[in-house]
Amino acid sequence: TQLLEQSPQFLSIQEGENLTVYCNSSSVFSSLQWYRQEPGEGPVLLVTVVTGGEVKKLKRLTFQFGDARKDSSLHITAAQPGDTGLYLCAGARNDMRFGAGTRLTVKP
Amino acid sequence: DAGVTQSPTHLIKTRGQQVTLRCSPKSGHDTVSWYQQALGQGPQFIFQYYEEEERQRGNFPDRFSGHQFPNYSSELNVNALLLGDSALYLCASSAYGTYNSPLHFGNGTRLTVT
Repeated sequence: TQLLEQSPQFLSIQEGENLTVYCNSSSVFSSLQWYRQEPGEGPVLLVTVVTGGEVKKLKRLTFQFGDARKDSSLHITAAQPGDTGLYLCAGARNDMRFGAGTRLTVKP
Repeated sequence: DAGVTQSPTHLIKTRGQQVTLRCSPKSGHDTVSWYQQALGQGPQFIFQYYEEEERQRGNFPDRFSGHQFPNYSSELNVNALLLGDSALYLCASSAYGTYNSPLHFGNGTRLTVT
């Protein structure tokens, strides 16, 4: 059983559409991080959220940490083909544990 | 400033053999974590090394062992390889004691067990 559940598992959309992916857990985390991974490469950090209820924006990406620090969401506005990749959330306790990821494909 | 480097990039082994994977952390980092990523899955935590000791361990059998050297580089050893050990093995470095700090990943070693 995954400590962090990500949904949806797969998402295929057209360029210009908006989307939200979710990361849920029954555990509380001291922080939560989002990474993006492209084929043949290791994951690359997008953002770290620490405070319950925190919202962070990175250009067209908006990240939110749940009030109880158990869940998070990633919203992408006006998706572009360059956003294609595997989006991973990771929760920090004594170490960093990852969800299974959401594989996003943005078609031109 | 070199990031995390892993070697080799690809490896093919036969069931029952042993393998050693290597990792050099990002400059300034003293902690190395190893992850196993099966095809289509997220990284699964194997263990973390700091000050040449295993500090945290995930749910992996004793066939998986590691080592950290005084220069902070690390090795992952897997004995008695099984077909199910085929995966991308990722090394990530960070600064110890700051568990909220980002993990810097290498591009991994792709292990195929036949």
